[in-house]
Amino acid sequence: GAGVSQTPSNKVTEKGKYVELRCDPISGHTALYWYRQSLGQGPEFLIYFQGTGAADDSGLPNDRFFAVRPEGSVSTLKIQRTERGDSAVYLCASSLTGGPPENSPLHFGNGTRLTVT
Amino acid sequence: SQQGEEDPQALSIQEGENATMNCSYKTSINNLQWYRQNSGRGLVHLILIRSNEREKHSGRLRVTLDTSKKSSSLLITASRAADTASYFCAPGQAGTALIFGKGTTLSVSS
Repeated sequence: GAGVSQTPSNKVTEKGKYVELRCDPISGHTALYWYRQSLGQGPEFLIYFQGTGAADDSGLPNDRFFAVRPEGSVSTLKIQRTERGDSAVYLCASSLTGGPPENSPLHFGNGTRLTVT
Repeated sequence: SQQGEEDPQALSIQEGENATMNCSYKTSINNLQWYRQNSGRGLVHLILIRSNEREKHSGRLRVTLDTSKKSSSLLITASRAADTASYFCAPGQAGTALIFGKGTTLSVSS
């Protein structure tokens, strides 16, 4: 079946603009995660959803970052007033179980490469 | 939450050789997961080993876990050029999302 889909695959925006990044998880997966990855680094945790609610948003760097998952499926990561330091690959992952997050393998999308000029 | 620390940071080997990567962590875990990432792609789950397991195999992969030393190792036997990728470990702690370290970059040359 289809894997995790992220759109767009690439996004170039000017400093100060607003961007939205979309994630379509695997159908039936209840947990959804956002990470961002800079060159040469591992994925940095941002937020994870269990169903519609954010179970842990402790990784969001500041209040310019916000994520929603209104129907428990598709999620959107929103970044306001983008800065050059926001440039990174934003990865989305989903997992099947509604149980403890550490027990389920994550299925990742290929990411959205965000470049802020 | 805690992240794993992978070692070495980079590893270069010839096709057919074995590759060993290590992971250390600091506090107790429920399980430990290993992932692979090819350039320009998302991470792919390789294997999950539970805290009460000591060794697990999947194809050419062998993972060990030593909870007394808070360490794990990933062995890839008879490596192939297609194994060239970054490898990440992620300690699974109760109720928290997985946190990843910087990974080990493996280069397998033919």
